[in-house]
Amino acid sequence: GAGVSQSPSNKVTEKGKDVELRCDPISGHTALYWYRQSLGQGLEFLIYFQGNSAPDKSGLPSDRFSAERTGGSVSTLTIQRTQQEDSAVYLCASSLTGTSGGGAKNIQYFGAGTRLSVL
Amino acid sequence: AQKVTQAQTEISVVEKEDVTLDCVYETRDTTYYLFWYKQPPSGELVFLIRRNSFDEQNEISGRYSWNFQKSTSSFNFTITASQVVDSAVYFCALSEPGQNFVFGPGTRLSVLP
Repeated sequence: GAGVSQSPSNKVTEKGKDVELRCDPISGHTALYWYRQSLGQGLEFLIYFQGNSAPDKSGLPSDRFSAERTGGSVSTLTIQRTQQEDSAVYLCASSLTGTSGGGAKNIQYFGAGTRLSVL
Repeated sequence: AQKVTQAQTEISVVEKEDVTLDCVYETRDTTYYLFWYKQPPSGELVFLIRRNSFDEQNEISGRYSWNFQKSTSSFNFTITASQVVDSAVYFCALSEPGQNFVFGPGTRLSVLP
């Protein structure tokens, strides 16, 4: 089956513009995660969606960042008034169940990411 | 609080050498899960292994093996007879039930021909 799909793969924007990044999770996966990875760095958690529960937004770095997940499937991460420090690779992952899942259900599968460059 | 430490920032080995990547974790929970992911130059993280806290049995998969020791809170990863294709950044991660994943900072492995 198809894996996690992210688009665009690359995005170049000017400082101050808004951008939208899209994530299409694996079909049937109820949990979806967004991470940010700056050059040469580890993964920084941004936001987590689980089913119909309120999302865990604890990792969003500022109110310029927001995310939606429509119909429990596709998610969009929006960055308003982009800054140069927002330049990074934005990774999306999905898992069959959320973080409480046992067995192999909480394994996260990642997309290839969107490389965002803010000029 | 959850924490994952990968003390080795970068490792370089020559092809066919064995290499061990260290992972030390901190958790207060008795139930938790440990993971290893590989991030090749293409950028996409690839799942390698998941281990729950109740299963300390070591695992071998081809040239890969994992040593889980609760006594030292470590979950180390060994690649035997390394190959150039093993060059990547490797991340160790910890998850407690109801909590998000915490990833270590990663170890960049370079396997030289």
